[in-house]
Amino acid sequence: QVQLKESGPGLVQPSQTLSLTCTVSGFSLTSNSVSWVRQPPGKGLEWMGAIWSGGSTDYNSALKSRLSISRDTSKSQVFLKMNSLQTEDTAIYFCTRGRSFDYWGQGVMVTVSS
Amino acid sequence: DIVMTQGVLPNPVPSGESASITCRSSKSLVYKDGKTYLNWFLQRPGQSPQLLTYWMSTRASGVSDRFSGSGSGTYFTLKISRVRAEDAGVYYCQQVREYPWTFGGGTKLELK
Repeated sequence: QVQLKESGPGLVQPSQTLSLTCTVSGFSLTSNSVSWVRQPPGKGLEWMGAIWSGGSTDYNSALKSRLSISRDTSKSQVFLKMNSLQTEDTAIYFCTRGRSFDYWGQGVMVTVSS
Repeated sequence: DIVMTQGVLPNPVPSGESASITCRSSKSLVYKDGKTYLNWFLQRPGQSPQLLTYWMSTRASGVSDRFSGSGSGTYFTLKISRVRAEDAGVYYCQQVREYPWTFGGGTKLELK
């Protein structure tokens, strides 16, 4: 069955770089896009960016200067890297499939703090 | 960016009643292929969002027919018939018509 699972550090220091991995199963990255979405504690959802089946990417312009999304299709993994983290980047980070966001990972909580 | 604005529900909603959640977009979500690129999600406490409908009115696999999406190019409604305890949570609309894809602020549904 379709599954997505996020992994990465729970704590990142301010100004440092966040690296997250989304490992997928039950579908191919060469046939489906994957997006990253984040949710600050107690707040709403923000789309961060996506990597398409062909490997191209699109980013939220508000984050574009700090964000990079890539993938390793042989490992069924999608990567998120975001630099210059600040406390307002504290959030749950989700990966999700396709333009309809039909499957989601359980999310990973990332806290930005010294 | 397209701004998505959601309405507020008169909570709590009595179990068995209907509830309608509204969402307005600052720009038409109808694409040149004729589809309306509007998704609805339910996020229960402590869980990931769950897709309810896409293309404004197409129910996702396994979603109860008590959920129905409708609307025009800029005004949308998610109707929940015969509300049940498991429907409680926060509902989000989202446009995927153009980048950046944006979500509404969420509408909380509480049950009586």
